[in-house]
Amino acid sequence: DSGVTQTPKHLITATGQRVTLRCSPRSGDLSVYWYQQSLDQGLQFLIQYYNGEERAKGNILERFSAQQFPDLHSELNLSSLELGDSALYFCASSVGGTGPHYGYTFGSGTRLTVV
Amino acid sequence: AQKITQTQPGMFVQEKEAVTLDCTYDTSDPSYGLFWYKQPSSGEMIFLIYQGSYDQQNATEGRYSLNFQKARKSANLVISASQLGDSAMYFCAMREYNDMRFGAGTRLTVKP
Repeated sequence: DSGVTQTPKHLITATGQRVTLRCSPRSGDLSVYWYQQSLDQGLQFLIQYYNGEERAKGNILERFSAQQFPDLHSELNLSSLELGDSALYFCASSVGGTGPHYGYTFGSGTRLTVV
Repeated sequence: AQKITQTQPGMFVQEKEAVTLDCTYDTSDPSYGLFWYKQPSSGEMIFLIYQGSYDQQNATEGRYSLNFQKARKSANLVISASQLGDSAMYFCAMREYNDMRFGAGTRLTVKP
C-alpha cells in the first residue's frame, strides 16, 4: 500500500456521461497530481494542486476539471465522455509543491472504460 | 519544455543477466531530478531510483543503478541479475520545477 488511495478502481460508463474520480494523498503530502495513461502509452500530465490551489496545468481537456479540498483529497471530474477517454487515471502525491527533488507516490489508478 | 526519450520500445533479457534501459532528456535548467518507475502488468507505478542533477555519484538501490552521464544528458537504468518478476514497463521521468514528465516507456521481458 503506497498510502495514496484512489477510488474507484474500475469504472465503466457510457459515452456522454460524467464521472468523478477520487484521490486521497499520502499523509503529510500537500501536492496532488493527476495523470492519464492511455493504452500502451506513457503518462500524460493533466493537472497539479498544492494545498488546495491549482499549481500547474498540462494537457487537460476543457471537459475535464479537478479540485483539491481542505482535507487535501482531490477529485477529477470527466464530463461528456468519449470513447477516447478510456484510460488508466493515476493520482500521485508529494510532500512539496515544487522542486526537482521531490518524487511522487502513485495510487493504484482508476481504470475508466467508456462504452 | 522538458523532453524525455526512451528509444527502446521493448527489450528482452535472459534471467540472471544484466540489462540497460536507455533514457535521454533535454532541459536547460541546471537543477532537475531524474526518476525511474516500474509498472508491472497489474498497473501500479512503483518508484525505483532517483538521481539529482547535482549528485556526483551514480545512484544505486539494490539491483538497480542509474548510469548518469550529465554531459550527454542520459540517465540509463541498469538492472543487475534480472529476475522473472522484473518483467514490466519501465518509465524514465524528469522533474524540473513543477510537474514530472515521463518518457514513453520500455517494456522489459525477462526470459527463463
